[in-house]
Amino acid sequence: AQTVTQSQPEMSVQEAETVTLSCTYDTSESDYYLFWYKQPPSRQMILVIRQEAYKQQNATENRFSVNFQKAAKSFSLKISDSQLGDAAMYFCAYRSAWNTGNQFYFGTGTSLTVIP
Amino acid sequence: NAGVTQTPKFQVLKTGQSMTLQCAQDMNHEYMSWYRQDPGMGLRLIHYSVGAGITDQGEVPNGYNVSRSTTEDFPLRLLSAAPSQTSVYFCASSRTDRGGNTEAFFGQGTRLTVV
Repeated sequence: AQTVTQSQPEMSVQEAETVTLSCTYDTSESDYYLFWYKQPPSRQMILVIRQEAYKQQNATENRFSVNFQKAAKSFSLKISDSQLGDAAMYFCAYRSAWNTGNQFYFGTGTSLTVIP
Repeated sequence: NAGVTQTPKFQVLKTGQSMTLQCAQDMNHEYMSWYRQDPGMGLRLIHYSVGAGITDQGEVPNGYNVSRSTTEDFPLRLLSAAPSQTSVYFCASSRTDRGGNTEAFFGQGTRLTVV
């Protein structure tokens, strides 16, 4: 099974500053998808950004962008101009493009605090 | 469009009791899954289904049963609740196509406490 590692259990950032959350994964597959999900105190899992492994261009969604390094199996999330509403638990997730079960593998999460 | 609906949101059980967590989706997704979320452990897959009538075990299946009689519904049954099953449970659904919308859509979660 694939493994996803988030080595930063907690991070903090000053409001309006930039923060980068790290994620690495282990796989022997060449085609897959990577995701960052946000979980605010409401508990709802919200998709932040997705990346297809066959695309070399890094995905961006407004203030959120990723640094996808396929050879290094690294997928970090950069949050620019941090806002108070960005405070949440962030999960990195992996999904094979081919497995019949469509399983998602999640990291252990990074708790982000935004300091006013 | 309701997405993924999970009930109940909160539940307290006594050890040995059984219960069913309900999950329904209205997006006609083939795949549905159940995860449990525990502190410091992320989300771990309990059971999943690739379509009506087809289910399989995930990483932590012991103590749980599932069935998928329709595309829309995927209930999770706890047979005899144990304190180790105290957790937050998420139901998710997803599609198989390789275009957009490859992500998992989640219900709001159920916080289960077993005393």
